[in-house]
Amino acid sequence: DIQMTQSPSSLSASVGDRVTITCRASQSISTYLNWYQQKPGKAPKLLIYAASSFQSGVPSRFSGSGSGTDFTLTISSLQPEDFATYYCQQSYSTPWTFGQGTKVEIK
Amino acid sequence: QVQLVESGGGVVQPGRSLRLSCAASGFTFSYYGMHWVRQAPGKGLEWVAVIWYDGSNKTYADSVQGRFTISRDNSKNTLSLQMNSLRTEDTAVYYCARGKYSNFVYYFDYWGQGTLVTVSS
Repeated sequence: DIQMTQSPSSLSASVGDRVTITCRASQSISTYLNWYQQKPGKAPKLLIYAASSFQSGVPSRFSGSGSGTDFTLTISSLQPEDFATYYCQQSYSTPWTFGQGTKVEIK
Repeated sequence: QVQLVESGGGVVQPGRSLRLSCAASGFTFSYYGMHWVRQAPGKGLEWVAVIWYDGSNKTYADSVQGRFTISRDNSKNTLSLQMNSLRTEDTAVYYCARGKYSNFVYYFDYWGQGTLVTVSS
């Protein structure tokens, strides 16, 4: 199975900050990498697919990059509604696997 | 609009069975692969199972292989998960999710609200 490791596991940031979350795959997955946002008590929501493609309706402050084994999700200017947990997920091979999550908290 | 509504969760004793359902609407259900993904309390996401658009292929996570069975009824726009021999470690919120293939990548583009399964004596 492909292991996905996110860093950091949590971070504290202020509104307006630039935030970067990293995801590393245990083997090369090309750009078969997706990002989800989950708020407490809610279902995950797709943000980015294929490493850098935006899901419809996602604000442009979110961006994704990377290929191979190293990927990043960047929030250019953190907004109050962005405080949530973010997960990366590989779709290179089954079983599809997720990172452990990065919780973005208010500083 | 796309809607996925899970049902069937509850409290069940270890070793017993439970059947989850997911009612789909707002899209052509028979065109899409469908998944179950679970989340143990306070933990991350774990993919559980997938069934192809026509039901011809099913794949499971090792943790549920041989105990869980995914199925679908395209005439009723319904996805199901039959869970047998339940263990305490199966306690989780179970989400159904739609799979989509675009830009050569597969992802889960819509999710239900989840249904909680608690396995406890």
